[in-house]
Amino acid sequence: AQSVTQPDIHITVSEGASLELRCNYSYGATPYLFWYVQSPGQGLQLLLKYFSGDTLVQGIKGFEAEFKRSQSSFNLRKPSVHWSDAAEYFCAVGLPNSGYALNFGKGTSLLVTP
Amino acid sequence: GAVVSQHPSRVICKSGTSVKIECRSLDFQATTMFWYRQFPKQSLMLMATSNEGSKATYEQGVEKDKFLINHASLTLSTLTVTSAHPEDSSFYICSARPGQGGTQYFGPGTRLLVL
Repeated sequence: AQSVTQPDIHITVSEGASLELRCNYSYGATPYLFWYVQSPGQGLQLLLKYFSGDTLVQGIKGFEAEFKRSQSSFNLRKPSVHWSDAAEYFCAVGLPNSGYALNFGKGTSLLVTP
Repeated sequence: GAVVSQHPSRVICKSGTSVKIECRSLDFQATTMFWYRQFPKQSLMLMATSNEGSKATYEQGVEKDKFLINHASLTLSTLTVTSAHPEDSSFYICSARPGQGGTQYFGPGTRLLVL
């Protein structure tokens, strides 16, 4: 079955530490891949996306993600986390044949400690 | 650029009433708009896909007679929750996709509380 998995429900990191949020997908073909961030009570902001080409994509706010076809993964990284990064992070996939409607993972809640 | 607005941002209504939520793409034309629903501390679930000028396509389990979607123009889609009940209380988020590209831009969401 088609699915998007974010294995970590909660992650806590210290400010200034590095961050990696995991995302795995299960689709027959390589879907379009996205990472979104949601602050409490807010809509979603696109961090970055992968459609094709270079497997390491750069996004806003210092985030990057790497697409690994062999592992069906699209993990999000940031070298140094800021307190303002505390939020909910969603990985999502979209398929052209569904009009790019997004299937979201369950999300990872990031807590940043001083 | 690529701004999507929703109105209202929050609404409280009595059980049995209908509520309309508007989704507008402010600086681009959206051939396709999507409606998602998010329960507290959960992920977003796609409710329906709407294309301008045609009927919306609803996901399995979403009642089309209860959640009426109208995509009357390339910049406006509306979601009407008819005869709302407390279990319809949720965070409703729309998104819009310009042209043929794969990127969607999300609105800020509408929080609906049905008493």
